[in-house]
Amino acid sequence: NAGVTQTPKFQVLKTGQSMTLQCAQDMNHEYMSWYRQDPGMGLRLIHYSVGAGITDQGEVPNGYNVSRSTTEDFPLRLLSAAPSQTSVYFCASSSTTTTEAFFGQGTRLTVV
Amino acid sequence: AQSVTQLGSHVSVSEGALVLLRCNYSSSVPPYLFWYVQYPNQGLQLLLKYTSAATLVKGINGFEAEFKKSETSFHLTKPSAHMRDAAEYFCAVSTGANSKLTFGKGITLSVRP
Repeated sequence: NAGVTQTPKFQVLKTGQSMTLQCAQDMNHEYMSWYRQDPGMGLRLIHYSVGAGITDQGEVPNGYNVSRSTTEDFPLRLLSAAPSQTSVYFCASSSTTTTEAFFGQGTRLTVV
Repeated sequence: AQSVTQLGSHVSVSEGALVLLRCNYSSSVPPYLFWYVQYPNQGLQLLLKYTSAATLVKGINGFEAEFKKSETSFHLTKPSAHMRDAAEYFCAVSTGANSKLTFGKGITLSVRP
């Protein structure tokens, strides 16, 4: 089983560039989410989705967009990258938030 | 609003010693509580979860946690630490099927030989 697949694993962007972090899951999970992990800050929720066509903001949504056109995919878009968005990004999926969340391996993003 | 507090950012124990990692939660409704572990350069994986079936929850790798409503706590313990337990540990809370999953700041566990 592939589980949750994130691409790319590493990315360097210049300030102002845009890009999309990809996340796909093959477990037919309804709930998907994006977190960023920064030293001393833990995991902070960026956006989440409770099913196809439904998305909502988390704790730190500014500068990021998401969409959920299918159950399997939940891409995260950086519209105009800023150095403050340098972080490790994790995608997660679960049946609901009362069940185990499965995480991808992460994307390490550096904005210069 | 729900939240999780993990006091301290780093715990160091000797191999064979008791591991105790603290987690306190805040929730206006009965919570679902989780502990996740993150090994270096990896994603998170579930250690154990509390979903009201039993207050003492046993997880993988010899870890367990006890839900104490009166203390709003869900501390993680392991009787005897192994070198392989060195990792970052996160406590998380949810309040229902479609609520957010909120994580604490994490605690780094070091195990000394």
